[in-house]
Amino acid sequence: DAGVIQSPRHEVTEMGQEVTLRCKPISGHDYLFWYRQTMMRGLELLIYFNNNVPIDDSGMPEDRFSAKMPNASFSTLKIQPSEPRDSAVYFCASSLRSPDEQYFGPGTRLTVT
Amino acid sequence: GNSVTQMEGPVTLSEEAFLTINCTYTATGYPSLFWYVQYPGEGLQLLLKATKADDKGSNKGFEATYRKETTSFHLEKGSVQVSDSAVYFCALWGGGGGFKTIFGAGTRLFVKA
Repeated sequence: DAGVIQSPRHEVTEMGQEVTLRCKPISGHDYLFWYRQTMMRGLELLIYFNNNVPIDDSGMPEDRFSAKMPNASFSTLKIQPSEPRDSAVYFCASSLRSPDEQYFGPGTRLTVT
Repeated sequence: GNSVTQMEGPVTLSEEAFLTINCTYTATGYPSLFWYVQYPGEGLQLLLKATKADDKGSNKGFEATYRKETTSFHLEKGSVQVSDSAVYFCALWGGGGGFKTIFGAGTRLFVKA
């Protein structure tokens, strides 16, 4: 299996622009997670889905952030409008049948100038 | 709520030295415990896990034992290599914490040749 796939790997954008991050989970996995990693705050869970349904979005920092999972093989995390403080590495992870053992993608490094 | 505390880094060792990275947890029930490793520029990878008290997880020469009496899950390796240089995250899931995985802050390990 190819593992969790994320795109783009790097994104540089200007403040105010819309940013869309993409994730393809491992085939057959029931759970999908979006995390944000920064030096200051470490690894933060933003939202997770079970069978394409959002279960807990309490970690989404503001209304500027939204996530969707239209089918079992694709999810997006959108930031609109983006701000410099959104600069971070965003990880997608998936797990099979239970959220405990997660497989992470390589991450998207977002820089907002 | 549930939490994970791990020793601050960085930890710097010479090749073939013995490694211990301390991890303690707080949980209301009986969580599963994990160690994840993050190599530079990559996502987290599951290194080992233990699901109940006195279980020992092991992988690639690393070991950790689930100690309920001391609420600890310390990571050990008898002889580290330069290729072990990475950030190590202790994590827990379950145990009254719902479906979220709680990650520690991470401990950076440098191994010198």
